[in-house]
Amino acid sequence: EVQLVESGGGLIQPGGSLRLSCSASGFSVSDKYMSWVRQAPGKGLEWVSGTYTGGSTYYANSVRGRFTISRDNSKNTVDLQMNSLRADDTAVYYCARFATHRRSPFDIWGQGTMVTVSS
Amino acid sequence: QSVLTQPPSVSGAPGQRVTISCTGSNSNIGAGYNVHWYQQFPGTAPKLLIYDNNNRPSGVPDRFSGSKSGTSASLVITGLQGEDEADYYCQSYDTGLTASDYVFGTGTKVTVL
Repeated sequence: EVQLVESGGGLIQPGGSLRLSCSASGFSVSDKYMSWVRQAPGKGLEWVSGTYTGGSTYYANSVRGRFTISRDNSKNTVDLQMNSLRADDTAVYYCARFATHRRSPFDIWGQGTMVTVSS
Repeated sequence: QSVLTQPPSVSGAPGQRVTISCTGSNSNIGAGYNVHWYQQFPGTAPKLLIYDNNNRPSGVPDRFSGSKSGTSASLVITGLQGEDEADYYCQSYDTGLTASDYVFGTGTKVTVL
């Protein structure tokens, strides 16, 4: 079964760091474009970051310079390192797979992991 | 921050037809980029509903359909059912300087009366 499972969320103080992990099964992340999408409580969806086959990485303006996406093909995981966290980073973070190419839809989503930034 | 605008809510009685609009600009939908639609139930992850403007993934009922014209797109639900009560989001690609690469709509809550 094709599946994504996120982990690593939690409560963190402003200015702190957190690392999210997305574990894939049923396919190889090395063959796919992968992304992180977040959703603040009661709000809509916001694309955060993407990593493409070949190693390119892309970020939303709101997180560029603070977040880093990476993939570990041997573990079949995609991670999101989040530094200098702010209250407005509070959200459910979803790992999502691009169906085919970088402009294709997100066809597989994880269940999400909650990140709360608060003192 | 959303650059795709949707109505906050739409409603209809069972069996009726409802339409959700998604209005973008010349840096996303109007530039020819495809529109995708997602369905989300409370507390769960989004699910792909329509891709590439008007295509349904396997398992999605044919009462869901999509279209695109100019700088806008629409999702139509014909024969509305109680199980369709959910939030719906459009999504596209954007090349604008101030927008992220991938943009979502503001979201529409569908209520079945």
